[in-house]
Amino acid sequence: EDQVTQSPEALRLQEGESSSLNCSYTVSGLRGLFWYRQDPGKGPEFLFTLYSAGEEKEKERLKATLTKKESFLHITAPKPEDSATYLCASRGGKIIFGKGTRLHILP
Amino acid sequence: DTEVTQTPKHLVMGMTNKKSLKCEQHMGHRAMYWYKQKAKKPPELMFVYSYEKLSINESVPSRFSPECPNSSLLNLHLHALQPEDSALYLCASSQGRIFSGANVLTFGAGSRLTVL
Repeated sequence: EDQVTQSPEALRLQEGESSSLNCSYTVSGLRGLFWYRQDPGKGPEFLFTLYSAGEEKEKERLKATLTKKESFLHITAPKPEDSATYLCASRGGKIIFGKGTRLHILP
Repeated sequence: DTEVTQTPKHLVMGMTNKKSLKCEQHMGHRAMYWYKQKAKKPPELMFVYSYEKLSINESVPSRFSPECPNSSLLNLHLHALQPEDSALYLCASSQGRIFSGANVLTFGAGSRLTVL
């Protein structure tokens, strides 16, 4: 059965303190690994799609990487406005979301 | 236009009411989705329409009835709901056939449903 597991569940960082979020996946025939950001009470907002091991994508303070078993979302020098829930989703036969990491950046 | 618009933003209904959630997109996307999301949980897929035809029903109770009148509109009709159905209901759309290619989901802001 396809599975996506995200860790940690929650993360509190000081402004400027870099860290990484993890997404482990077990998917038959991975056809894409997605990262979304979700603010409270709003719909998820697309960040990145990764297709193959070794691929990396960047956007402002965020960088996503992919291996054959996991993906990382690296956050460099985060700001309070980066506080949100970050969702990872895999696409094999269907799209499966992880439970997300709630990120809180303290000023 | 790169948005998915959902109405209403908030809905409170009794267990005997009939109401509908609406979703609209004008990006030319041919796949549209309904997701249900409870607090601190990931979105759960309910229904998928592809080219205006229902392609996936994730064993959703019949008190939820989807409808896709045309390629831009998606409705979710609600009847005789239970308090445990209270959640954020998200509509999404994507290009092409469902779960194909670089199938990025574009989500709406959601409709917050409270069942009393």
